[in-house]
Amino acid sequence: GAVVSQHPSRVICKSGTSVKIECRSLDFQATTMFWYRQFPKQSLMLMATSNEGSKATYEQGVEKDKFLINHASLTLSTLTVTSAHPEDSSFYICSARGVSGEQFFGPGTRLTVL
Amino acid sequence: DAKTTQPPSMDCAEGRAANLPCNHSTISGNEYVYWYRQIHSQGPQYIIHGLKNNETNEMASLIITEDRKSSTLILPHATLRDTAVYYCIVRVAGGNQGGKLIFGQGTELSVKP
Repeated sequence: GAVVSQHPSRVICKSGTSVKIECRSLDFQATTMFWYRQFPKQSLMLMATSNEGSKATYEQGVEKDKFLINHASLTLSTLTVTSAHPEDSSFYICSARGVSGEQFFGPGTRLTVL
Repeated sequence: DAKTTQPPSMDCAEGRAANLPCNHSTISGNEYVYWYRQIHSQGPQYIIHGLKNNETNEMASLIITEDRKSSTLILPHATLRDTAVYYCIVRVAGGNQGGKLIFGQGTELSVKP
C-alpha cells in the first residue's frame, strides 16, 4: 500500500507551547487529508478533514483555533497544537486519500505535554 | 457515530482461522464495508473492503451477507502478528469524494500460541 509518514514520531513539550506535526504522502498525491486523535484504550476520533488549498472542516467539539491545520500541497499537511496543555496529550494520527479513494494512515505522533 | 457493532474481544489459536463478525444493519446502498486493523501504538492498516460481493486478497477474506446487514472478516491462518484491534467501518465510496472513516470500538483479537 501507499506510504504516509509523520514527523515527529514523539514529542514532549511544556505546557503553553505550540507543537507542529507534519504528515506527508510519499508516493501519491493526497487531495484529502484527515487528522485523528486517540486517547489510551480508546478508538480513533476524527478531528478534521482538509482538502488541498482549502480551509479544514472540523468535527463538532474540536476547536479550530487550537488545532490549526494547513494543507498547502498535495503531499503535505500540518497540524499545529497551539498553547498545548496536559489534556492535549494524545496519539495524533493523520490519514491521506488520493483520487482513487483509497485511504492510508500514518504511523502516528505521540504528544506528551508536561 | 459509528454505524457498526463488533464484539469487544476475541481469542484465536495460532494457525487457526479467525472469524471476526460485524453488524451494520443500517448500511445504505452506496456504502462500502471497510476493514482496518491497528497494532498497538501504530497507525491503522488497511485490510480489505467490499460492497456486496465476497472479496479476498492476500491478507484476508470478506464475507458480506446477502442483505448486507452484517459481514465477517476471515484471517485464514492467524499468526501471533495478527494480534491487533480490528475495525469494521461503513463508508460511502466514490473516489476522492467518498465519505469519512468513522471508527467504532473495534474487536481486540488476541492470537495465542
